Amino acid sequence: RKEVEQDPGPFNVPEGATVAFNCTYSNSASQSFFWYRQDCRKEPKLLMSVYSSGNEDGRFTAQLNRASQYISLLIRDSKLSDSATYLCVLGITFNKFYFGSGTKLNVKP
Amino acid sequence: DTEVTQTPKHLVMGMTNKKSLKCEQHMGHRAMYWYKQKAKKPPELMFVYSYEKLSINESVPSRFSPECPNSSLLNLHLHALQPEDSALYLCASSPLQSRGGYEQYFGPGTRLTVT
Repeated sequence: RKEVEQDPGPFNVPEGATVAFNCTYSNSASQSFFWYRQDCRKEPKLLMSVYSSGNEDGRFTAQLNRASQYISLLIRDSKLSDSATYLCVLGITFNKFYFGSGTKLNVKP
Repeated sequence: DTEVTQTPKHLVMGMTNKKSLKCEQHMGHRAMYWYKQKAKKPPELMFVYSYEKLSINESVPSRFSPECPNSSLLNLHLHALQPEDSALYLCASSPLQSRGGYEQYFGPGTRLTVT
């Protein structure tokens, strides 16, 4: 079983839609959780760290559910510029990370 | 400023060449990483330096040799590579001390082609 499971998509949504991604994990020792976005042929960019209390940054909301071992990312009012691959990353220690395979989002006009 | 720089942006090398990739950060981060990423795959961790000491080497072939001259610089020396080593090589750094814990900031990468 993979340490991190992520739906590869693609998710094809119209502009203005709300879209949610989930990422399930199996290692209960996971200490820190992140969402990154990666544009085609570019580097991953940190979108949000995910805290137990949940956190929000504008149109983006991240949640952590330790009991069910998943993290989620909600994007409201999708923009064309949100089209990218979204990676969830789990940090066990500073030198051990598990990356999800990435979820591709296509926002269409 | 959360910037990690990498040079060169693109590199084409033959299987007998020796080349080096360079990475720099001036954020005072104490951990630096090398990753390899193939198309449509997530990054794969290669090396981790913490406080300028090699902390982990994820069973990477010896034709890849990392070096951390100081806390801001990270090099990856390449020698006798194979065509399957063609990939995007990403450098990242982490402050190790933040609320988020171990958040990593990636450089733009070096796109390497081995001919």
